[in-house]
Amino acid sequence: GAVVSQHPSWVICKSGTSVKIECRSLDFQATTMFWYRQFPKQSLMLMATSNEGSKATYEQGVEKDKFLINHASLTLSTLTVTSAHPEDSSFYICSGAPPTDTQYFGPGTRLTVL
Amino acid sequence: DAKTTQPPSMDCAEGRAANLPCNHSTISGNEYVYWYRQIHSQGPQYIIHGLKNNETNEMASLIITEDRKSSTLILPHATLRDTAVYYCIVRVGGGNQGGKLIFGQGTELSVKP
Repeated sequence: GAVVSQHPSWVICKSGTSVKIECRSLDFQATTMFWYRQFPKQSLMLMATSNEGSKATYEQGVEKDKFLINHASLTLSTLTVTSAHPEDSSFYICSGAPPTDTQYFGPGTRLTVL
Repeated sequence: DAKTTQPPSMDCAEGRAANLPCNHSTISGNEYVYWYRQIHSQGPQYIIHGLKNNETNEMASLIITEDRKSSTLILPHATLRDTAVYYCIVRVGGGNQGGKLIFGQGTELSVKP
């Protein structure tokens, strides 16, 4: 299957700072990427759909000004958590898909906000 | 997209077949059934998907009932490494087609020695 990477795999930051997470499709071009968030003992929750060259579409209840998504190329999407607070601590996962194939997920990024 | 119902947990003996059920009684004619699994602290892994015919790949088999209201994922010879949360998702489109995946609570499968 296709390979998706994320960087960093984990990050610890202070409250009030911003954190950027990268999602890369290594062996395919992804016109669409997705961002999910997962809290402990819970399922994945879709945050937003990221389309290359256009604005992301956010799910209801997700603050677009807090979670900035940029999909500048067919192989890279970034999620920036702005002014992070302890309640933003979570496991962030991205996914992408080749044009005629299903979605493949990255390994996830664990964010801890102190 | 249609909603799915899965048992919250199941046990399976190592080396035996694991049969994971999923109900999707409101599935539409153009919705596919997808299965993913998530091993602890990792991203979900694609397993298999199908529309109405049974499907098999190197990981598993997918059996879809004739009325398409339910399906079963079969891991033919479960190993300890198959211990994970298994998600059954229904979604329009078999390829990417920009379709998002909405995850339910899944089934936590424990494979025991």
